[in-house]
Amino acid sequence: DAKTTQPPSMDCAEGRAANLPCNHSTISGNEYVYWYRQIHSQGPQYIIHGLKNNETNEMASLIITEDRKSSTLILPHATLRDTAVYYCIVRVATSGNTPLVFGKGTRLSVIA
Amino acid sequence: GAVVSQHPSWVICKSGTSVKIECRSLDFQATTMFWYRQFPKQSLMLMATSNEGSKATYEQGVEKDKFLINHASLTLSTLTVTSAHPEDSSFYICSARFTGGNQPQHFGDGTRLSIL
Repeated sequence: DAKTTQPPSMDCAEGRAANLPCNHSTISGNEYVYWYRQIHSQGPQYIIHGLKNNETNEMASLIITEDRKSSTLILPHATLRDTAVYYCIVRVATSGNTPLVFGKGTRLSVIA
Repeated sequence: GAVVSQHPSWVICKSGTSVKIECRSLDFQATTMFWYRQFPKQSLMLMATSNEGSKATYEQGVEKDKFLINHASLTLSTLTVTSAHPEDSSFYICSARFTGGNQPQHFGDGTRLSIL
C-alpha cells in the first residue's frame, strides 16, 4: 500500500472548518483513501473513504485531487470533541484480508 | 453504534499472570480480525491477523507463543497475553472488517493492560 504524509499537528478554532491535508503521491489506481480518527484512550473511529470522487457524510467531507496524489479531510464546523489524532491511510480495495497500517497521523487540537 | 465490542476495557494484574482479551463482531460475521498494540504517544502497530478456523498470522517481532490468538467462531477472537510482564503493558485494540471490497475496518474501544 502507498505511504501517506500528514502534518504532525494542527490547531483549529471551535466552530471553524478544520482542513486536514494528506499527501499520497505514490497511490495506485486501485487504492482507496481512508480516514480514521482516534480520540484519547479509545479505538480508532472510521470517518470516511473514497477512490476518486469527493465524498461527504454526516461527519466530514473528503476532497481528492484529480491526480489523486493528495486529499483533504474537512470537518465543516469543528467542536472541542473533534480533538483527536486523524489518520489518512491508503489501501488496496480487495476482498482479501489486508489490515490497515497506521502512520503517525495529525494531532488536531480544537481550541475554544 | 459500536460494531466491534472488546472486553475488558481495563486490566491490572501481577507480573506472571496470563490475561485474555475478547473481541466480538456485533451483527456481522468476521472471518478475519486484527489485533493491534499501541504504546503511549505512538501509533497503532499491527500485531497479528486472526483467521477463523485457522492459525493466526503474526507480524515480524511478535512472539506467537507469548500472544496466543484464538478465532474459534465468526464473531469472536481472543488474545491471551501469557505470563505477562511490565513491558507488555500497553493499549491493545482489536478490529474487524465487513467482508468484500472497500468496506471499512471497524475497531473496538481497546483494552488497557497494566502489569505490576
